[in-house]
Order: sequence, then C-alpha cells, then structure tokens
Amino acid sequence: EVQLVQSGAEVRKPGESLKISCKASGYSFTNYWIGWVRQMPGKGLEWMGIIYPGDSDTRYSPSFQGQVTISVDKSISTAYLQWSSLKASDTAMYYCARREYDVWGKGTTVTVSS
Amino acid sequence: DIQMTQSPSSLSASVGDRVTITCRASQSISSFLNWYQQKPGKAPKLLMYAASSLQSGVPSRFSGSGSGTDFTLTISSLQPEDFATYYCQQSYSTPHTFGQGTKLEIK
Repeated sequence: EVQLVQSGAEVRKPGESLKISCKASGYSFTNYWIGWVRQMPGKGLEWMGIIYPGDSDTRYSPSFQGQVTISVDKSISTAYLQWSSLKASDTAMYYCARREYDVWGKGTTVTVSS
Repeated sequence: DIQMTQSPSSLSASVGDRVTITCRASQSISSFLNWYQQKPGKAPKLLMYAASSLQSGVPSRFSGSGSGTDFTLTISSLQPEDFATYYCQQSYSTPHTFGQGTKLEIK
C-alpha cells in the first residue's frame, strides 16, 4: 500500500526550531516529488513547496521561501519540513503529499505558543 | 504566481441536488487542474485530476470539465457524504496554488 506517514503533533515556543517528517512506503521514493501544504486553523490550503528526492531539487512558494526548509533522507524514504525560528503564525496543520496529489499524509499539527 | 479563484465560496444544497462549483485561473493552465474534497479534521482527498479524469475509487456522480482558464466540478446528485469543502488546484507551474475553497452545506 502506498502511504505517507507523518510525525506526531508538536508544541513549541516562539523562536524554537522544529523539524517534522513524512515517511513514504509502498512506492519508489526517489521517483516522485513530495510536497508540503499548510492549513491554518479554519482556513484554506496553501502550497508551500516541493522536493524531488532523486536529486533534492526543491521549489518553494515565494510566500514560504526563506521561512522553511524542505529536505529528504533517501536512505529512509523520508521528507522533512523544518523551521529555524518558529512564530505564533506558524501554528497550523501541515500535510505532505506526493506530487500527483493522489497520496497524502494525515497531517502534523504544529502549535507555537508562549 | 497563478491565482485560482473559486465560486461560490459557500453553497447550500439538498440531497439529490445537482451542484456546480467553478474555478478560474489567472492565466492558462491547459488541463493541469485538480479538485479535492476535504472533510473536517481530514486530509484533502483527490477527486479529479487533469481537469476531467476521475480519480480511482471516486463515485461517478463527480465530474469535471474545462481547459485553459475556466473549470467546473459537478456533483450530479448530492449524497449526504458529499457535504464538505472543495478546493481546486493548478499543477501547471510552481507554486501549485489552490483556490480559496467552496464549503458545501446542507440546506
């Protein structure tokens, strides 16, 4: 079965760093782009960026460029989304999805609060 | 960036109704248009890809049409499980922008 399994909910304080993960299984990880999508509470879907695990080619939305870093570890078929300094406005649900958008993770809730 | 505009933003309908949601792109995206259904607390579910191709497992009451800048999602006969929020998304060029969503509610 093709699936993406995301890491669990996180609670952090403003200014802290964070890295969440998305582990792929059931398909050839290096052959499909993986993207990240943000959904703030009660709001719509926002496309953040996408990475090709085969060569780590990464494309960011201008809205998120410089705010987050997307990476992969091919050896464990896992994609990551990380922040170096969280803000309260980063509080949201974050989804990973395969580039064809046919397979999605269940989401990781990130709460940033002092 | 390509802007995606959905209409209406919300819609009230009854079981059995035929419903159409519209999505307009700010420039031509050929047929690189996806439709999703999202229920509260759940990840989005792909319904249609390439504007008019039905994703595997999705009921045939869902259909999509359009190319270029104007697209529609139609539900031919609403079922209780169809009340949800629907999003369009262009995958023509990055960033793969989404529409703002259409909330379909029970009348």
